[in-house]
Amino acid sequence: AQSVSQHNHHVILSEAASLELGCNYSYGGTVNLFWYVQYPGQHLQLLLKYFSGDPLVKGIKGFEAEFIKSKFSFNLRKPSVQWSDTAEYFCAVTLLDTGFQKLVFGTGTRLLVSP
Amino acid sequence: DTEVTQTPKHLVMGMTNKKSLKCEQHMGHRAMYWYKQKAKKPPELMFVYSYEKLSINESVPSRFSPECPNSSLLNLHLHALQPEDSALYLCASSQRGGSYNEQFFGPGTRLTVL
Repeated sequence: AQSVSQHNHHVILSEAASLELGCNYSYGGTVNLFWYVQYPGQHLQLLLKYFSGDPLVKGIKGFEAEFIKSKFSFNLRKPSVQWSDTAEYFCAVTLLDTGFQKLVFGTGTRLLVSP
Repeated sequence: DTEVTQTPKHLVMGMTNKKSLKCEQHMGHRAMYWYKQKAKKPPELMFVYSYEKLSINESVPSRFSPECPNSSLLNLHLHALQPEDSALYLCASSQRGGSYNEQFFGPGTRLTVL
């Protein structure tokens, strides 16, 4: 079965530190890739997405992600985190063989940024 | 309007009750989704409607019954639920099903089954 792995379950950083969250998926076909964020008490919001083209995508709030097809990875990065980035981050994938309708989420990474 | 709204925000029901969750969007999206999210877990897909037709049912028990009366509205009818069905139920919509689509999520209904 297709799956999405996020290896970092909990990450604690100080403000201004750099962030990289790992995401790997197990599917050899065409995918659409997403990072969603869930701030405390708020609903899921899309940070960025990759459909095709330039594998380096930029999203909101200074986040970016790089799609490396050979590694089945879509890691999320931010050069300098802020306290307000404290949230849960989900990597997610839609797959060609489900008509891109089924969004499969990774297990999530809880990020705590200390001031 | 770029919002997906869900009502109610909270719902407490007994195992013999019948209740419904409602989801609405006015973005002209033609695909709508129900997800279930347990505490500290990722959302799990339950149902997909595409152009008001059920296109995916992820083997959800029949005590959950979805309905899509029109392109803006999605309901989830609940009957004879179990305590383990307690969770956050999320609705989402996208422009259409298929590639090059992102899903927009509502705030969810937090359901407690006693």
